[in-house]
Amino acid sequence: RKEVEQDPGPFNVPEGATVAFNCTYSNSASQSFFWYRQDCRKEPKLLMSVYSSGNEDGRFTAQLNRASQYISLLIRDSKLSDSATYLCVVNAAGGSYIPTFGRGTSLIVHP
Amino acid sequence: EAGVAQSPRYKIIEKRQSVAFWCNPISGHATLYWYQQILGQGPKLLIQFQNNGVVDDSQLPKDRFSAERLKGVDSTLKIQPAKLEDSAVYLCASSLGDDRGLFHNQPQHFGDGTRLSIL
Repeated sequence: RKEVEQDPGPFNVPEGATVAFNCTYSNSASQSFFWYRQDCRKEPKLLMSVYSSGNEDGRFTAQLNRASQYISLLIRDSKLSDSATYLCVVNAAGGSYIPTFGRGTSLIVHP
Repeated sequence: EAGVAQSPRYKIIEKRQSVAFWCNPISGHATLYWYQQILGQGPKLLIQFQNNGVVDDSQLPKDRFSAERLKGVDSTLKIQPAKLEDSAVYLCASSLGDDRGLFHNQPQHFGDGTRLSIL
């Protein structure tokens, strides 16, 4: 089993739709979690950190479920500009915090 | 705030040649990471530095890859000799970090990456 798993998609949705991605992790000692966005041929950019209590930033909501070991990202009212690959990152504790990326989920928002 | 700087942006070499990449992290960031990203995959951590010490290099192919961060700031990643499967984007990232893990919840900031093609 991979340490961090994501459905690669693509998720193909119309503008205005709500879409959700999950990211599962295998290491129960994982301590910090993030969602990054990566556009084609660009570097990953931080979208949001994921807190235990969940967090929201505009149309984006991130949640953490420690019991089931997954994090989620919800995008409401999708825009064409949301088309990108969404990467989850999990930092596992073990003396130092080693990050592991998922392979990413591709989102395509169409008119 | 200046971001993570990487050079070169692009590099084309023949197999068995050597190549080096350079990274300058965000000022004050103690933790520096090198990743390899192959098309269609997520970034794979090659090596993580805390100041000038290595935190993790378990996925670094040490027979051909080497990295250093001598003064705890800039870092170089070298491949010698290169193989065809090394064609990828090499990303450098930095984050606040310390030996006690107090900043483990601080995100990484990435440079533009170096796109390496092996012929």
